[in-house]
This record gives sequence, structure tokens and C-alpha cells, in this order.
Amino acid sequence: KAGVTQTPRYLIKTRGQQVTLSCSPISGHRSVSWYQQTPGQGLQFLFEYFSETQRNKGNFPGRFSGRQFSNSRSEMNVSTLELGDSALYLCASSGGQYRRETQYFGPGTRLLVL
Amino acid sequence: DQQVKQNSPSLSVQEGRISILNCDYTNSMFDYFLWYKKYPAEGPTFLISISSIKDKNEDGRFTVFLNKSAKHLSLHIVPSQPGDSAVYFCAAIGGSNYKLTFGKGTLLTVNP
Repeated sequence: KAGVTQTPRYLIKTRGQQVTLSCSPISGHRSVSWYQQTPGQGLQFLFEYFSETQRNKGNFPGRFSGRQFSNSRSEMNVSTLELGDSALYLCASSGGQYRRETQYFGPGTRLLVL
Repeated sequence: DQQVKQNSPSLSVQEGRISILNCDYTNSMFDYFLWYKKYPAEGPTFLISISSIKDKNEDGRFTVFLNKSAKHLSLHIVPSQPGDSAVYFCAAIGGSNYKLTFGKGTLLTVNP
């Protein structure tokens, strides 16, 4: 089975721009979660989608949004980029039906905001 | 507040010896715990998990121990190998949500 894939792998943007990141889950997985990793804060949960619905949300501002398509692929959007948004953005997929399921991570998208 | 804590930012061990990585949590609702390994420029890789109804889970060289009363878990790697050198994250899930709460990670260095 192919793993979780994320595109693009690297992005450079400037302040005020917006960005869209994409995540394709493992085949058959219906849950996709997004995490932000920064050196100071570690890995922090952004949101989780299951069957095209946002099921859980972390404590991030409204500039961070996402969606999930019928094929379970997910996109994450950050509008009005700030320097502090520079981070590694990771998505993880799981079956989604049970909480105690292992989440499998993609390689991440490294975003640099200048 | 940090609900999952890994108090040792780094750990260095000799090849062949045991590596013990520790993790403490504060949220009593956590009922499933996972360890992930992460290399630079890669996503975290799942290693091993344990449910709160168990106190030990083994998978090859990796064993996770859970002490619910102390809200403490540990990952033992025996024997340690240089390829084990990576950042290890402890994560927990619980309550009614599906979000993983991570510790800040421990950098393990295994010296040949």
C-alpha cells in the first residue's frame, strides 16, 4: 500500500500571501488530520476531517482552514501568511472509525514565509 | 499547558545498550498512547502503541510500559543500534476526540 503523500514538499511564500497544501491519505483511510511542527511548539494539532466533515479542531486562528473531498484527499489553506506560519505541516491518515487507531504520517510540507 | 511531557530533550547511549525514553502525561482522559520516531525532513513514523488497559506492549526490540497510576510511560529499545538515532515523540489520545497530543520529543543518539 502506498503511504500518505503530501504536495508540495517545499514552499516559499511572502507575508500576506495565501497557500494551499494537499494530502492524499493511505488508500481506504477516511480520516485526515493536519499538524504543524515548529521548533518552539513541537507538533500541534490543527484539525481533523472524516467523510468530508471537520470532526475536530485545534486552537489555531481562522486563517487556517481545510477541506476534504469525497475521495478522502484533503487540502489545508492558510490565508494572509505571517512569518510565524513558517513550519513543517504534516498530515496523517487513519481509518477514522475508532479513536484508538494509529495515525500514519506523510513526509510533510516545509513552508517558509519571508 | 503541556499535557504530554518529555522532560529529557536528548539522550545518548552506546550501541548494544538499552535506551529508555520517558514520557509523562497529565490528562486522565488519555487512554491510548503511541511512540513515533522522526528523522530530519521526514514525517513521524509509527513505532509502537499501548492501550490504557495494558501495562506493557512488545514489538521486537521495542517495548512500551505504561504506569497509569503515575501517568507515566516509557519506551525501551534493546539493543540500541546507530540507526535508532532520531527524535522520538510520545503521543496520547483520549476523550471524545481524535486528535493526537504530542510531547516535544527526545533526541536519541546511539553511538557506535
